[in-house]
Amino acid sequence: GQNIDQPTEMTATEGAIVQINCTYQTSGFNGLFWYQQHAGEAPTFLSYNVLDGLEEKGRFSSFLSRSKGYSYLLLKELQMKDSASYLCAVFDSNYQLIWGAGTKLIIKP
Amino acid sequence: IAGITQAPTSQILAAGRRMTLRCTQDMRHNAMYWYRQDLGLGLRLIHYSNTAGTTGKGEVPDGYSVSRANTDDFPLTLASAVPSQTSVYFCASSDSAGGGNNEQFFGPGTRLTVL
Repeated sequence: GQNIDQPTEMTATEGAIVQINCTYQTSGFNGLFWYQQHAGEAPTFLSYNVLDGLEEKGRFSSFLSRSKGYSYLLLKELQMKDSASYLCAVFDSNYQLIWGAGTKLIIKP
Repeated sequence: IAGITQAPTSQILAAGRRMTLRCTQDMRHNAMYWYRQDLGLGLRLIHYSNTAGTTGKGEVPDGYSVSRANTDDFPLTLASAVPSQTSVYFCASSDSAGGGNNEQFFGPGTRLTVL
């Protein structure tokens, strides 16, 4: 079966750095996405990785290792507004998105 | 620009009733999707449409049907609602159904409770 694993919940301090990990086992791989979802709202796109390495976008970076089936999302200079769930999703061989259950990130002052 | 709209925002429905969730996008996207989101589970694909006039089954299609008569609209119908269909339903769209940085844009969701 297809599986995406993320920690259920993480806590971090305002101003700090946090890394949210995602491991996947899917039938094929055609790219990995990270989305942010605030409570009661729709998911919104953060990043996309298809090749190994780090993609940086402002305070957010996403890393991919295809050989390890592993990605992480790195959030720097955490702000209270970063409190949200972060969803990892993988395009499988049929170009269908397989979603992880999400990591709820709690930011404390 | 509205993006994607969904209606209703929320609904309480008696078991056995028929219900249609509406979804409209104004981005001229070819591909559209219906997901359900339940606590502790990832988004699960119900049905999808790669282009107007075509539809396909996702991971959890039983009890649901869709149609795609035109580019903009993608309604989801529950023929006879059951309590296990209580969930938050998200409609999404993307420029195409292929690979690449094919970001999906999501509607605000419909919170459905079946009693």
